[in-house]
Amino acid sequence: AQTVTQSQPEMSVQEAETVTLSCTYDTSENNYYLFWYKQPPSRQMILVIRQEAYKQQNATENRFSVNFQKAAKSFSLKISDSQLGDTAMYFCAFSTNAGGTSYGKLTFGQGTILTVHP
Amino acid sequence: DADVTQTPRNRITKTGKRIMLECSQTKGHDRMYWYRQDPGLGLRLIYYSFDVKDINKGEISDGYSVSRQAQAKFSLSLESAIPNQTALYFCATSDGGQFHEQFFGPGTRLTVL
Repeated sequence: AQTVTQSQPEMSVQEAETVTLSCTYDTSENNYYLFWYKQPPSRQMILVIRQEAYKQQNATENRFSVNFQKAAKSFSLKISDSQLGDTAMYFCAFSTNAGGTSYGKLTFGQGTILTVHP
Repeated sequence: DADVTQTPRNRITKTGKRIMLECSQTKGHDRMYWYRQDPGLGLRLIYYSFDVKDINKGEISDGYSVSRQAQAKFSLSLESAIPNQTALYFCATSDGGQFHEQFFGPGTRLTVL
């Protein structure tokens, strides 16, 4: 079974600065996907960024980028030029690309609450 | 209009009551999921369905049941609610495609007194 661990329950950052959220995972699979989801106070779950394990290049979406270290099973999220609207709970999630009933199921970490201060 | 809707958005009920949470989607996806979110635990999978005739237990299915009435509808029932089922419940859908992305509903806040 896969596990996902987010060791930072809370983080804070000043507006316009950079912050990195940590995530580690454990799996015996070689082919999988990793995700960061954002949950603002509205409760809506919003996909921020996705990384395919077979790709060595780190994914980037505007101000959001990841540092994917496959051997270390680490998947951190970097938010550059933080904005007040980035204040939210952030979840790291894993999905295996192997066949069978586990295919496509998401396993989530515990979440990190990020607060951006003006 | 939202692609994935959940009703009710908030519900307060009493111990022992039967309650149903409903999920509807207009995305045309075959796969639907029910999760619960608890502080410090993230989201955990309760049940999932890959099509109308396929229902599977997730990691925390005890005390819950589901019904897939149609491709677009997936309901979660608590037969006899208990206080530790107080949580935020999410429905999600997926097309099972290459990237495994799931699309979430707005969530239902359930409180069991």
